[in-house]
Amino acid sequence: SQTIHQWPATLVQPVGSPLSLECTVEGTSNPNLYWYRQAAGRGLQLLFYSIGIDQISSEVPQNLSASRPQDRQFILSSKKLLLSDSGFYLCAWSRGGTGAYEQYFGPGTRLTVT
Amino acid sequence: AQSVTQPDIHITVSEGASLELRCNYSYGATPYLFWYVQSPGQGLQLLLKYFSGDTLVQGIKGFEAEFKRSQSSFNLRKPSVHWSDAAEYFCAVGSYGGATNKLIFGTGTLLAIQP
Repeated sequence: SQTIHQWPATLVQPVGSPLSLECTVEGTSNPNLYWYRQAAGRGLQLLFYSIGIDQISSEVPQNLSASRPQDRQFILSSKKLLLSDSGFYLCAWSRGGTGAYEQYFGPGTRLTVT
Repeated sequence: AQSVTQPDIHITVSEGASLELRCNYSYGATPYLFWYVQSPGQGLQLLLKYFSGDTLVQGIKGFEAEFKRSQSSFNLRKPSVHWSDAAEYFCAVGSYGGATNKLIFGTGTLLAIQP
């Protein structure tokens, strides 16, 4: 069966510091991968998605970036965090390609920028 | 552009009572529709999905949803809620084609259960 991992589970970082959140998927090949942010009391905002290595789409202009160094690894990064980057970050995967598939979510990372 | 509206931000239901959470979508073609549930501090869990066929779909945890094309709705229902159903519920529509493969989520409905 497939499993999705995220780490760290919680993170407290000062403004201006760098960020690296990691997501890995087990039990599948060539998945589509997604990063979402959920701010307090708000819905899910899609940040990035990837339908393959070197194929990353950005949905919202911001100081975040995403990379996919391996087929089943998705990393969310920032060079300098802002207070507004605080939130709950969720990684998700779906079957690969552009077909209609459901997404499966990881447990999330709670980021607090101080 | 595709969109999803969940008109109820908060709903409180008594334990054992029936539940209906509303979801309206805007999509030009045949929609692919989903309901997810999120407990506090956790990720989202898929409750059910509609791709085609029977417009009444059954999901996990005793939930069901009905697709009504004429009303652009995909409402979630449960005949008798349990205290463990207290959570936030998200409706989503899939956007596929070309290099696009993503879900568009509503803003969620927070469900509280009173004894």
